[in-house]
Amino acid sequence: NAGVTQTPKFQVLKTGQSMTLQCAQDMNHEYMSWYRQDPGMGLRLIHYSVGAGITDQGEVPNGYNVSRSTTEDFPLRLLSAAPSQTSVYFCASSRLQTGELFFGEGSRLTVL
Amino acid sequence: GENVEQHPSTLSVQEGDSAVIKCTYSDSASNYFPWYKQELGKGPQLIIDIRSNVGEKKDQRIAVTLNKTAKHFSLHITETQPEDSAVYFCAASNGAAGNKLTFGGGTRVLVKP
Repeated sequence: NAGVTQTPKFQVLKTGQSMTLQCAQDMNHEYMSWYRQDPGMGLRLIHYSVGAGITDQGEVPNGYNVSRSTTEDFPLRLLSAAPSQTSVYFCASSRLQTGELFFGEGSRLTVL
Repeated sequence: GENVEQHPSTLSVQEGDSAVIKCTYSDSASNYFPWYKQELGKGPQLIIDIRSNVGEKKDQRIAVTLNKTAKHFSLHITETQPEDSAVYFCAASNGAAGNKLTFGGGTRVLVKP
């Protein structure tokens, strides 16, 4: 029972490079989301999706793109990495309405 | 949008003592208030949640109280143990956009043996 799987776990980028953080869930959850975690600032929502083909912006969407072509996958794309995007990124999924949000183990990104 | 404030940011307690973490929220439409525990190097995990039609909920050594009038809710951990050492997050949601949660800034709890 894999739950929510994120790859890669660690990544170092240079300023201006692009990359994709992968997220997959095997629980048939309609809702998926991406958060970033920075010291003292808790978890801030980047983008979320309520189903395949539907995405929306969260609190801090600038510099990130998402797509949801299947129920299982929700990749996060950094278009042109900046040092301010150095953070730990968490993908989470759940049933559509309020209920337990299941988190992946996180992806630590460093932008030099 | 919703804003959730969490206090304190760090909390050190002696094993066996109680720990209390408090959160306030701004959106009166919020109706779901979960608490998550994050251990080192892991993703957060739900430990307890409460909905707006309930004032208090208990699960063994943890309890959550909600005051909708004052827009605050609290987590109480009794008889703390070393394995309770972690970062705890409160969150709030109004259910308007799927399971969109707004999190507080987190509380690092250290239980000293």
